[in-house]
Amino acid sequence: KAGVTQTPRYLIKTRGQQVTLSCSPISGHRSVSWYQQTPGQGLQFLFEYFSETQRNKGNFPGRFSGRQFSNSRSEMNVSTLELGDSALYLCASREPGSSYEQYFGPGTRLTVT
Amino acid sequence: AQKVTQAQTEISVVEKEDVTLDCVYETRDTTYYLFWYKQPPSGELVFLIRRNSFDEQNEISGRYSWNFQKSTSSFNFTITASQVVDSAVYFCALRGGTSYGKLTFGQGTILTVHP
Repeated sequence: KAGVTQTPRYLIKTRGQQVTLSCSPISGHRSVSWYQQTPGQGLQFLFEYFSETQRNKGNFPGRFSGRQFSNSRSEMNVSTLELGDSALYLCASREPGSSYEQYFGPGTRLTVT
Repeated sequence: AQKVTQAQTEISVVEKEDVTLDCVYETRDTTYYLFWYKQPPSGELVFLIRRNSFDEQNEISGRYSWNFQKSTSSFNFTITASQVVDSAVYFCALRGGTSYGKLTFGQGTILTVHP
């Protein structure tokens, strides 16, 4: 099976702009989670989607939003970008069932200038 | 609240040495899941092992082994006969039984294996 794919891999944006990142999960995986990784804060959970519904949300401002489509692909959006949003954004998918591990994509490296 | 602590920020070993990465966790959930992930320089998190809270049996998988002790809330990970390719950042992570897809990660341990 193909792994989790994320596009774009690299992105440079200016403060105040908005950005949309895309994630395609492993075939058959219906749960998609998003994480932000920064040197200062480490890996932090953003949100999780399952069957097009947000099931869990981390402690991030409302500028961070996401959605999931009927084919399980997911997008996350960050509006009014700030310098502190520069990070590696990782998407992960897993099979239905509580114990299954998450498989991560290569990430999108976002730089805000 | 859930918390994962990896006290070792960096570890440096010489090839073929055994190395143990420590992980201590906190959770109020009675059912939970523990994971170890590896992040090589490429950035992608690679799943290594999973352990369920209701299964304390420790196992060995190739050069990897883990020691899960509920009594001390620890989930340590050992690499036997380390290799240069093992150099990466290793993360311990916790998911509560009701947390769905939310993983709580430790700060990571940078492992450098010298030839």
